[in-house]
Amino acid sequence: DAGITQSPRHKVTETGTPVTLRCHQTENHRYMYWYRQDPGHGLRLIHYSYGVKDTDKGEVSDGYSVSRSKTEDFLLTLESATSSQTSVYFCAIRGQGTNEKLFFGSGTQLSVL
Amino acid sequence: SQQGEEDPQALSIQEGENATMNCSYKTSINNLQWYRQNSGRGLVHLILIRSNEREKHSGRLRVTLDTSKKSSSLLITASRAADTASYFCATDARNSGANSKLTFGKGITLSVRP
Repeated sequence: DAGITQSPRHKVTETGTPVTLRCHQTENHRYMYWYRQDPGHGLRLIHYSYGVKDTDKGEVSDGYSVSRSKTEDFLLTLESATSSQTSVYFCAIRGQGTNEKLFFGSGTQLSVL
Repeated sequence: SQQGEEDPQALSIQEGENATMNCSYKTSINNLQWYRQNSGRGLVHLILIRSNEREKHSGRLRVTLDTSKKSSSLLITASRAADTASYFCATDARNSGANSKLTFGKGITLSVRP
């Protein structure tokens, strides 16, 4: 398995509280991604990063922010969690160069009550 | 909106049979990839086919790509109970110079009965 670790694995929080999810890689890969997975929607891209301090929005970025201050860590923050953000969140890294496949973390189950 | 749409949404077959899953997409692509997800786990890459390729094989997997129809198919031959999982197609529609990002479909649930 590619060296990707997501933390926490499970989290329950209340509406209106801030939440930060962490993705850590040991592969020194340039591209990192945050997806959310919901029944009936498959995986949808939230934000991605193409280098340190270089990030861009995906298709469902509203209510989320990200930061990447070093190559190995990509943080996803919900500034004020809402129930609609209850989901499973997956981090992924892209292979280097012509290896264009994604390697996924194990996911974070987030419940916003 | 999602680029890839898989068909069917669910598929149930007997062990030993072949499973065919289809994916259609909307815009031009650089490559198309298939992933598998076991229940409660992250996605695992299966196979990648580039826009200038028409067919690829990997073990029991065969992928075809028809760019004129904007469609792909994944064939799993001689299915096993362990193939039971969800399968996703993903497209990289990156233009030259743009950043790489994959857009996933909603997935197909495959059940292989022993």
